Amino acid sequence: AQSVTQLDSQVPVFEEAPVELRCNYSSSVSVYLFWYVQYPNQGLQLLLKYLSGSTLVKGINGFEAEFNKSQTSFHLRKPSVHISDTAEYFCAVSGSGSYKLIFGSGTRLLVRP
Amino acid sequence: EAGVAQSPRYKIIEKRQSVAFWCNPISGHATLYWYQQILGQGPKLLIQFQNNGVVDDSQLPKDRFSAERLKGVDSTLKIQPAKLEDSAVYLCASSLDRGPYEQYFGPGTRLTVT
Repeated sequence: AQSVTQLDSQVPVFEEAPVELRCNYSSSVSVYLFWYVQYPNQGLQLLLKYLSGSTLVKGINGFEAEFNKSQTSFHLRKPSVHISDTAEYFCAVSGSGSYKLIFGSGTRLLVRP
Repeated sequence: EAGVAQSPRYKIIEKRQSVAFWCNPISGHATLYWYQQILGQGPKLLIQFQNNGVVDDSQLPKDRFSAERLKGVDSTLKIQPAKLEDSAVYLCASSLDRGPYEQYFGPGTRLTVT
């Protein structure tokens, strides 16, 4: 069975500071990894995904993530955050078969001026 | 291109009543998903359709929840009778096909059961 752990429920950070949101997964098969962002009262939007190839994945809005198979991690990073990045971030894993997404519990990024 | 449409956006019902949610996916998308997102948690898949067939409904409480996608386009999710623990946001998503494709999410329907 697949699962995703997001250890940090909330991450406060000052504007223009770097941020890392942590994600660890467990799976017995090859995985595909995703980060989604959810702004208040909106649906989820894909930030980036890892399917295969280069372990460093770049996404929208200046975000990037690194797939680390040995540590079963897929941490999300941004070198300099903006107020507008305040949102809920979800890490998700899927595998072959139904390709359904298994989501973590989310990390709320709170950017302060 | 138009996104995934859902209605209603909000619904308040009393326990034991019934409720239905509607979803219209992006045109041409073969795969449609319904997720339940309880406050403070990540979305959980309820049911996945490939065209008008069910791929995965292993986490759908079939004694009270039902869903259909009769013509392989739009879909309806129904709860009858509702319980207090059904209070959640119900998200519909669609993807081009079955596989590691991007899932596009609608804005969701926030259900409150009193």
